[in-house]
Amino acid sequence: DTEVTQTPKHLVMGMTNKKSLKCEQHMGHRAMYWYKQKAKKPPELMFVYSYEKLSINESVPSRFSPECPNSSLLNLHLHALQPEDSALYLCASSPDKNGNTIYFGEGSWLTVV
Amino acid sequence: AQSVAQPEDQVNVAEGNPLTVKCTYSVSGNPYLFWYVQYPNRGLQFLLKYITGDNLVKGSYGFEAEFNKSQTSFHLKKPSALVSDSALYFCAQYSGGYNKLIFGAGTRLAVHP
Repeated sequence: DTEVTQTPKHLVMGMTNKKSLKCEQHMGHRAMYWYKQKAKKPPELMFVYSYEKLSINESVPSRFSPECPNSSLLNLHLHALQPEDSALYLCASSPDKNGNTIYFGEGSWLTVV
Repeated sequence: AQSVAQPEDQVNVAEGNPLTVKCTYSVSGNPYLFWYVQYPNRGLQFLLKYITGDNLVKGSYGFEAEFNKSQTSFHLKKPSALVSDSALYFCAQYSGGYNKLIFGAGTRLAVHP
């Protein structure tokens, strides 16, 4: 079972709102990721967690705040977003070893109004 | 810096004909290379990967890819295209030493009946 589950599938939020995206995997993977994807573009890496510790932050604005409560869960907290942050947010996971396959969830479609 | 190039924005092929989606990677010792497919409004699905071993890699849905070290290429192929193969295809390479995939720009495959 190579399943990464993301909720919600769709989210509309105002620029003053606080919301969260959630991601879960039960494959025993120890690396988890957040990617952002704009229409017809490749995914862009935002954050990498390795063994529940943040290992990569690709200079993401602080209005995006990741959290890894345990090895199966990954959250992305959103606050004071801008309309240009509207995108598909993809969560992914992999065994924590270079070269292992990264498995993606179906994504959360975010619209900021 | 490592980079992945997909020289074609779109590939058009008739159903039943062979298809090729091109990818070239930047030179980096032993590259770890991947192909993913994205159907409309969906997440990325893993197709296949090359880590080491045989240059011809077989993957999901009848796809295969040929690793060519001298040409630094990793083209995706299928002997007989289906309309249902129409999607966005991404080639990706691991950034050495990190759990980080570098994606190409993507190629839209359109298979016509």
